[in-house]
Amino acid sequence: KAGVTQTPRYLIKTRGQQVTLSCSPISGHRSVSWYQQTPGQGLQFLFEYFSETQRNKGNFPGRFSGRQFSNSRSEMNVSTLELGDSALYLCASSPRTSGQETQYFGPGTRLLVL
Amino acid sequence: DQQVKQNSPSLSVQEGRISILNCDYTNSMFDYFLWYKKYPAEGPTFLISISSIKDKNEDGRFTVFLNKSAKHLSLHIVPSQPGDSAVYFCAASGLGHQGGKLIFGQGTELSVKP
Repeated sequence: KAGVTQTPRYLIKTRGQQVTLSCSPISGHRSVSWYQQTPGQGLQFLFEYFSETQRNKGNFPGRFSGRQFSNSRSEMNVSTLELGDSALYLCASSPRTSGQETQYFGPGTRLLVL
Repeated sequence: DQQVKQNSPSLSVQEGRISILNCDYTNSMFDYFLWYKKYPAEGPTFLISISSIKDKNEDGRFTVFLNKSAKHLSLHIVPSQPGDSAVYFCAASGLGHQGGKLIFGQGTELSVKP
């Protein structure tokens, strides 16, 4: 099976702009979770989508949002970008057919905000 | 409040010897634990996991031990190889809807010297 794919891989934006990142999960996986990695805060959970519904949300401001489509592909959007939003954004997918499942990560999107 | 902690930022080991990476957690509701290996600017790669109902899980050179009473888990790599050099993250998830939310430690950078 193909792995989790993320597009674009690299992105440069300026403060105040908005950005949309895309994630295609492993075929058959219905859950997509998003994470932000920064040097200072490490890997932090943003949100999880399952069957087009947001199931869980981390402690991020409302500028961070997401959605999931019927084919399980997911997008996350960050509006009014701030310098501190520069990070590696990772998505992960899992089948979510049971309570304990492994999440498989994509390569990430590196966002730089100038 | 950091619920998952990796207290050693770095570890250096000689090739062929054992590498032991440690992780502590505070939330007794965690029921699934995972170890990931990560290179800079890439997504984490899943290594091995363990359910809270077990105390040991092996996969090739990798063994994870879980001590629930101490809220401690460790990853043993035997024998260590130079290709194992990377940052290792432990992660934990809870039951039900919390299963899609991984809480990560801060990571331990492993260096395996030839």
